Amino acid sequence: SSELTQDPAVSVALGQTVRITCQGDSLRIYYASWYQQKPGQAPLLVIYGENNRPSGIPDRFSGSSSGNTASLTITGAQAEDEADYYCNSRDSSSSHVVFGGGTKLIVL
Amino acid sequence: EVQLVESGGGLVQPGGSLRLSCAASGFMFSDYAMYWVRQAPGKGLEYVSGITTQGGSTYYTNSVKGRFIISRDNSKNTLYLQMGSLRAEDMAMYYCARWKGDGFDIWGQGTMVTVSS
Repeated sequence: SSELTQDPAVSVALGQTVRITCQGDSLRIYYASWYQQKPGQAPLLVIYGENNRPSGIPDRFSGSSSGNTASLTITGAQAEDEADYYCNSRDSSSSHVVFGGGTKLIVL
Repeated sequence: EVQLVESGGGLVQPGGSLRLSCAASGFMFSDYAMYWVRQAPGKGLEYVSGITTQGGSTYYTNSVKGRFIISRDNSKNTLYLQMGSLRAEDMAMYYCARWKGDGFDIWGQGTMVTVSS
């Protein structure tokens, strides 16, 4: 099965821009979706498809993709954006889905 | 309101069984593939199992094949996960989630499964 690789942790200064990346062979075929998870809460979809935000997700969240890498960009990070972020896509070699290991975003 | 509510978690001994349920409301349940995703304490999200809209196809991660069975009752708007031969490594928060084709757009609050003697 495919794997998705994320950096374990990323930090960003308050108000600055940060990019969280996700690498995997399945991303050459399928778009990634991105989830935000805060402690004690269920994951929340923040980006899906080419670059779509569900209702209620601030427009500072955006997504992009190139080759085998998908990126989640937060433009003007806020304190409330500090959370774990997971990428996800269909598995290119099966009918399954796959998650990345998650990136802890620290807002300084 | 669109929501998923899991139940059925609890403490079970190694080798034991448990059945999780996920009650859906606020949307046409039969229109969506559904999945179970778990998260061990302090760990990341892990796909467990999925099922197509009418239950015709089911999918399992390798570590649960032959031990877990996913099913759904569209007349009751409910998703199930029958778990057997439970192991310590199955201990996790179990979430049900709605698959919209390009992402999981609705998640339940989760139900905790603890495997311990």
